[in-house]
Amino acid sequence: IAGITQAPTSQILAAGRRMTLRCTQDMRHNAMYWYRQDLGLGLRLIHYSNTAGTTGKGEVPDGYSVSRANTDDFPLTLASAVPSQTSVYFCASSLAGGPSDEQFFGPGTRLTVL
Amino acid sequence: GQNIDQPTEMTATEGAIVQINCTYQTSGFNGLFWYQQHAGEAPTFLSYNVLDGLEEKGRFSSFLSRSKGYSYLLLKELQMKDSASYLCAVNNDYKLSFGAGTTVTVRA
Repeated sequence: IAGITQAPTSQILAAGRRMTLRCTQDMRHNAMYWYRQDLGLGLRLIHYSNTAGTTGKGEVPDGYSVSRANTDDFPLTLASAVPSQTSVYFCASSLAGGPSDEQFFGPGTRLTVL
Repeated sequence: GQNIDQPTEMTATEGAIVQINCTYQTSGFNGLFWYQQHAGEAPTFLSYNVLDGLEEKGRFSSFLSRSKGYSYLLLKELQMKDSASYLCAVNNDYKLSFGAGTTVTVRA
């Protein structure tokens, strides 16, 4: 049982390139989230999905898109990467997205945009 | 907007007690979480408070005062493995807003 996995572990990307970060969970959780973590700023929500087929914008959605075709997968796409998107990206999931539901985090993807 | 404040760094001695404070001003409130994050790793859940008062879980306790917009995480009998960042997060409209985190260093 893997829980929640992310790929790649790390990536160096040229500015202007398209990149998709992958996230898969095997816990049958309905809700999934994407955060970025930057030094001094903490975790900031990019996009979320409360259930398959629905998505919503978080605090910092510009430059990112997501899709939720099924329960298990929640990819994050950078259409045209910029250096300010250099960050550590965490995917998370929770059982139903309820207010008391614990979020489980993946191991993260360290992305560098040059 | 959301404003969640916690100290940047704290240092304590092995076996001691440390209290990490978190103050928040948010447009809504559905509960407050504490997460632990070791360097280079993912955050992991520690506690959840939605009602005022103290929740105790082993060596860790978390307190909430909704009227004051205030919480603290108390770590007792500190161990070296407790050296980590501790993240305060407020659930607002079913989404989490995180503070920047407090890095706790435990010295022998």
